[in-house]
Amino acid sequence: QKEVEQNSGPLSVPEGAIASLNCTYSDRGSQSFFWYRQYSGKSPELIMFIYSNGDKEDGRFTAQLNKASQYVSLLIRDSQPSDSATYLCASLVYNTDKLIFGTGTRLQVFP
Amino acid sequence: EAGVTQSPTHLIKTRGQQATLRCSPISGHTSVYWYQQALGLGLQFLLWYDEGEERNRGNFPPRFSGRQFPNYSSELNVNALELEDSALYLCASSFRDRGLGNIQYFGAGTRLSVL
Repeated sequence: QKEVEQNSGPLSVPEGAIASLNCTYSDRGSQSFFWYRQYSGKSPELIMFIYSNGDKEDGRFTAQLNKASQYVSLLIRDSQPSDSATYLCASLVYNTDKLIFGTGTRLQVFP
Repeated sequence: EAGVTQSPTHLIKTRGQQATLRCSPISGHTSVYWYQQALGLGLQFLLWYDEGEERNRGNFPPRFSGRQFPNYSSELNVNALELEDSALYLCASSFRDRGLGNIQYFGAGTRLSVL
C-alpha cells in the first residue's frame, strides 16, 4: 500500500467551479501535509500546508485535514484555466524531514 | 532573493557513466533534499543533507550518493548509470527546523537522460 494516495485524474471542472482534490495517507506518524502544484515540465510549487485538524483557507484555496480518517483535501474555488496542473499531496513524518508524495492529481479547468 | 538553483538543466549520459548534479539552496537554508521524479512514479525521496551530514536516505542503491559543502550547496552523484535512472532530479531546501510547518522549496530540476 502506498503511503500517500491520490486519484491520478484527470479531474475536469468548468471555469468558475470548485475543484476538490483528495489525498489519503497511511502513516499515523504523519503530522504535516503539503499541497504542491506542478505545471508540466516545471518544479513543484507550494500552495498550502496544514497540520491541525479542520480547515485552513488562503485566498481561493482551502486545505482540510481529518487525522481520524487520515484524509487531506484541497478545495480550489472559482477555478481558472491557469489552475490546470498536477497537484501533489505530501506528508511529513515529524522528525524525519522526509516528504512522502502521492503521485498527483491532474486538474483540467476548461473555459 | 534567489531561489533554489540547480545545474545543469539537462544532462545526457550513456549507460555505465557517472552523473554529477549540483544544487544551491536558498540563502539561510541549511537543509538540502534530493528527489527523483521518474515518469509515472511521482517524487521519490533520495537523500537529505544538513550541516554537511547525510541525515536520511530513501530506498535507492548505494550508487546514488552525494555530499553537502560548507556553504550548504550540494552534489548528487549517480554512478554506473542505468537506463531507469532517466528522470527529473529535484533539489529542495529548507531551514533546519523540525517544526510542523517546515517547508521545502524546490529548484527547477535537472533532467537526466541515460542512453
